[in-house]
Amino acid sequence: GAGVSQSPSNKVTEKGKDVELRCDPISGHTALYWYRQSLGQGLEFLIYFQGNSAPDKSGLPSDRFSAERTGGSVSTLTIQRTQQEDSAVYLCASSPGTSNEQFFGPGTRLTVL
Amino acid sequence: GENVEQHPSTLSVQEGDSAVIKCTYSDSASNYFPWYKQELGKRPQLIIDIRSNVGEKKDQRIAVTLNKTAKHFSLHITETQPEDSAVYFCAASIGGAQKLVFGQGTRLTINP
Repeated sequence: GAGVSQSPSNKVTEKGKDVELRCDPISGHTALYWYRQSLGQGLEFLIYFQGNSAPDKSGLPSDRFSAERTGGSVSTLTIQRTQQEDSAVYLCASSPGTSNEQFFGPGTRLTVL
Repeated sequence: GENVEQHPSTLSVQEGDSAVIKCTYSDSASNYFPWYKQELGKRPQLIIDIRSNVGEKKDQRIAVTLNKTAKHFSLHITETQPEDSAVYFCAASIGGAQKLVFGQGTRLTINP
């Protein structure tokens, strides 16, 4: 079956603009995660959705970052008033309710000029 | 909260030799420890994982060992090949939950 998909694959924006990044998890996966990976760095946790529970937003770096998950499936990560330090690859992952294993998407490379 | 430390940050070995990457974690309630491999420009992919009820797991040339008392776990790659060159990440679950905390990664280079 299809894996996790993300769009766009690349996004170049100007400082101060808002961006939306999309994640389509594997069908039936109840958990969805967003991570940020700066060049040559590790995976920084941003936010976690599990079923109908309130999301765990503890990793969001500022109030410019927000995310939604509609209908328990597709998720959108929104960054408002982008800054140059937001430039990174944003990775989405999903996992089934019966397992801890996370399946990653290909990521969106965000460049803020 | 949970903290995962990974060492070394870079590792270079000769083709055919073994490579070992080590991680320590802080939450004694963690019960799931995966290892991900990320090739340049690609997504992280799970290569092996271990749960807290076992001490060792092997899959062909890769193995993971877990010492719950010392709260550390290690990845062992034997008979390394050029295609093993990548960044490897360890992770630990937050207690028994699905959320993972990742180590900072190890860049492994296999020299021919």
